[in-house]
Amino acid sequence: EDQVTQSPEALRLQEGESSSLNCSYTVSGLRGLFWYRQDPGKGPEFLFTLYSAGEEKEKERLKATLTKKESFLHITAPKPEDSATYLCAPLGNFGNEKLTFGTGTRLTIIP
Amino acid sequence: KAGVTQTPRYLIKTRGQQVTLSCSPISGHRSVSWYQQTPGQGLQFLFEYFSETQRNKGNFPGRFSGRQFSNSRSEMNVSTLELGDSALYLCASSLDRDNSPLHFGNGTRLTVT
Repeated sequence: EDQVTQSPEALRLQEGESSSLNCSYTVSGLRGLFWYRQDPGKGPEFLFTLYSAGEEKEKERLKATLTKKESFLHITAPKPEDSATYLCAPLGNFGNEKLTFGTGTRLTIIP
Repeated sequence: KAGVTQTPRYLIKTRGQQVTLSCSPISGHRSVSWYQQTPGQGLQFLFEYFSETQRNKGNFPGRFSGRQFSNSRSEMNVSTLELGDSALYLCASSLDRDNSPLHFGNGTRLTVT
């Protein structure tokens, strides 16, 4: 069975203080990985798809990277509006038909 | 383009009752998935439908069921509600391409008392 672990569970940063979130997984037939952002009371919002080891994707202050066993979401000079829970979900044998999500990292950026 | 729409947004039910939740996918999306989200367990996969057929099912009891209509709209039903069914129920739609991302609605918050 696919397993996904995200760390840390929670992270508090000062505005402008860069850091990284980790997503590690054991997945059969890894074909890629999704990153999502979730704000309180809302559904997850799609951020990135990474398809192969070594791939990187960027969006504003976020950069996601992928290896065969883990993915990182790097946050550079974050702002308070980056506060959210960040979720990852690797794409395995079932593709997008049956995803296993990590429990997320709750990120708080303090002004 | 309108996003995924879920109704109702909030529901309060008592133990033993049943409930039906509704989901309208993004236009052109034919795959609809349902997930349960709780603070302790995170997002748990319930089931996935494509062209009115259930293609995948998660590890939930038979009290949880769903269906998809010819216009891709979907419903899920939970019978004989238990306190532990209190959760945020999320619907997501996607293009029928293996690696295309899921697009989520804002969920239905179900509280069972």
